[in-house]
Amino acid sequence: NAGVMQNPRHLVRRRGQEARLRCSPMKGHSHVYWYRQLPEEGLKFMVYLQKENIIDESGMPKERFSAEFPKEGPSILRIQQVVRGDSAAYFCASSPRAGSQETQYFGPGTRLLVL
Amino acid sequence: QQQVKQSPQSLIVQKGGISIINCAYENTAFDYFPWYQQFPGKGPALLIAIRPDVSEKKEGRFTISFNKSAKQFSLHIMDSQPGDSATYFCAAKGQTGANNLFFGTGTRLTVIP
Repeated sequence: NAGVMQNPRHLVRRRGQEARLRCSPMKGHSHVYWYRQLPEEGLKFMVYLQKENIIDESGMPKERFSAEFPKEGPSILRIQQVVRGDSAAYFCASSPRAGSQETQYFGPGTRLLVL
Repeated sequence: QQQVKQSPQSLIVQKGGISIINCAYENTAFDYFPWYQQFPGKGPALLIAIRPDVSEKKEGRFTISFNKSAKQFSLHIMDSQPGDSATYFCAAKGQTGANNLFFGTGTRLTVIP
């Protein structure tokens, strides 16, 4: 029973390029969350999605960032025109249901480095 | 503004000792408090979680103590081992209409042999 899968594990981009991060939730999970972790800091919520719907994007910057979770395939976090400040670890988590007491299971993360 | 405050930032404990990490929160709507363990280069892994209707939960060497009136909770690691060396994050969830976790800033634990 595979856990949450993320790819790529490491991504290097030059300023101005686009970064695409992919997340496949655990089997049977239809709720996906994206978090960002800056060096030496805790994780910060970015966006919460269900299949084909963005439920809460209150933590995501309004510009350059977008997320989707299509009916088929992984969830995608897209960062356009990356800047050095986007360098961070991006983690995806999934849960089988919504609800305040549902456990979220995290993937191994994608470490983005912007040169 | 930090919704969950965590201390200490780093902790060094002798093998066999007790590691204690503390967290505090303000939002009384939180009703789920997990602890995550993260090794370098890995994602956070759920260690143990508590709900506010109990004051303590124990799983093996790991215990959460929860003080609802003080809005504080802590993680105790008994008989700490070098393999416990990792970064530990407390978190909270449960605001009405939100499903995201609010994380503390993390505690880097080092257990020395």
